[in-house]
Amino acid sequence: EAGVAQSPRYKIIEKRQSVAFWCNPISGHATLYWYQQILGQGPKLLIQFQNNGVVDDSQLPKDRFSAERLKGVDSTLKIQPAKLEDSAVYLCASSLDGGGQEQFFGPGTRLTVL
Amino acid sequence: GENVEQHPSTLSVQEGDSAVIKCTYSDSASNYFPWYKQELGKRPQLIIDIRSNVGEKKDQRIAVTLNKTAKHFSLHITETQPEDSAVYFCAARSGGSYIPTFGRGTSLIVHP
Repeated sequence: EAGVAQSPRYKIIEKRQSVAFWCNPISGHATLYWYQQILGQGPKLLIQFQNNGVVDDSQLPKDRFSAERLKGVDSTLKIQPAKLEDSAVYLCASSLDGGGQEQFFGPGTRLTVL
Repeated sequence: GENVEQHPSTLSVQEGDSAVIKCTYSDSASNYFPWYKQELGKRPQLIIDIRSNVGEKKDQRIAVTLNKTAKHFSLHITETQPEDSAVYFCAARSGGSYIPTFGRGTSLIVHP
């Protein structure tokens, strides 16, 4: 079974630039999550989708971050403009549904903002 | 919202010893508690989980215990091996919101 795919794996940008990350969840998984993992910390949930609807985005800095999952499958996360403190690994995960089902994580995108 | 505290932040043991990592949570409505292992530069992977209707669960050398009254749960690894060295994260998920909250992680080092 194919896992969660993410691209790019690495990205280096300068502050105030824009960047976008892409995630393709496991086929059939209704729930998709975007996490931010700063070095030395646990993953922090940014946004959770159920199909193409947002379940929770309370921790998403909406002045600069946006995410969409238009057809209920792939998702993109965008940062515009980036700040130094956005340097982190951005993990995408998916699960069959949100009700206590196991989450499967993608390999992550390591973002460095200079 | 949910707050998950994890201790210790670093744990160093000799091969063959046991390791215990403890987490506390704040939301009494949380009902699902997974544990993840993350090796350096790799993705988190689920190693064991427990639901609130169970007090203990075991899978070979790994066990998890849950005390709902005290709102804490623990990961126990017996007969540790060098390949157990990694960062371990606990998480708690509320039954109402389904939003998962992670602890800050424990770096486990198993010395051969």
